Amino acid sequence: AQRVTQPEKLLSVFKGAPVELKCNYSYSGSPELFWYVQYSRQRLQLLLRHISRESIKGFTADLNKGETSFHLKKPFAQEEDSAMYYCALRGGGQNFVFGPGTRLSVLP
Amino acid sequence: GAGVSQSPSNKVTEKGKDVELRCDPISGHTALYWYRQSLGQGLEFLIYFQGNSAPDKSGLPSDRFSAERTGGSVSTLTIQRTQQEDSAVYLCASSSLNRGSGETQYFGPGTRLLVL
Repeated sequence: AQRVTQPEKLLSVFKGAPVELKCNYSYSGSPELFWYVQYSRQRLQLLLRHISRESIKGFTADLNKGETSFHLKKPFAQEEDSAMYYCALRGGGQNFVFGPGTRLSVLP
Repeated sequence: GAGVSQSPSNKVTEKGKDVELRCDPISGHTALYWYRQSLGQGLEFLIYFQGNSAPDKSGLPSDRFSAERTGGSVSTLTIQRTQQEDSAVYLCASSSLNRGSGETQYFGPGTRLLVL
């Protein structure tokens, strides 16, 4: 079965501090992993995907198959990063499995 | 261009009534997804349409839920005999596979359903 866990419901950090949003998954094959973000009063949107190995808005995420993790990191958090973040997995089928989400609050 | 649109934005209904939720995907997108987001929960996959292929209905929670996609474009999610536990935000997303960058889902604003 495919499953995504995000252990933190809420994460608060101060502006300029490093931030790491945790994501762990369970899937027996080779998954595609994604991070989606929802800013206040905006639609859910794709932030980044592991196959692109890109940095978006200063965020990066590395797929660690040994630890089955895909943690999202940013070295210096900004207030505009405050949002709801969802980790998602797509396995052999076409449907996506989303984690419960972590609300990031960046304090001034 | 226009993004994914959904209607109505809010729907209040009485327990036992049927409701229809509509999704207009981005023009040209072949894939369409429906999700449900309950309070404090993540997104729960409901159903997936891809072109003319048979839909993946594996996420529908009961036979009260059904969806169709006419002409490969607009989709309607129908919930029959609504129950209070059906109260949630229903999200629609569409996507088109891009060989260079992979698949990106574009989400609609959602329909907030409240069953009294």
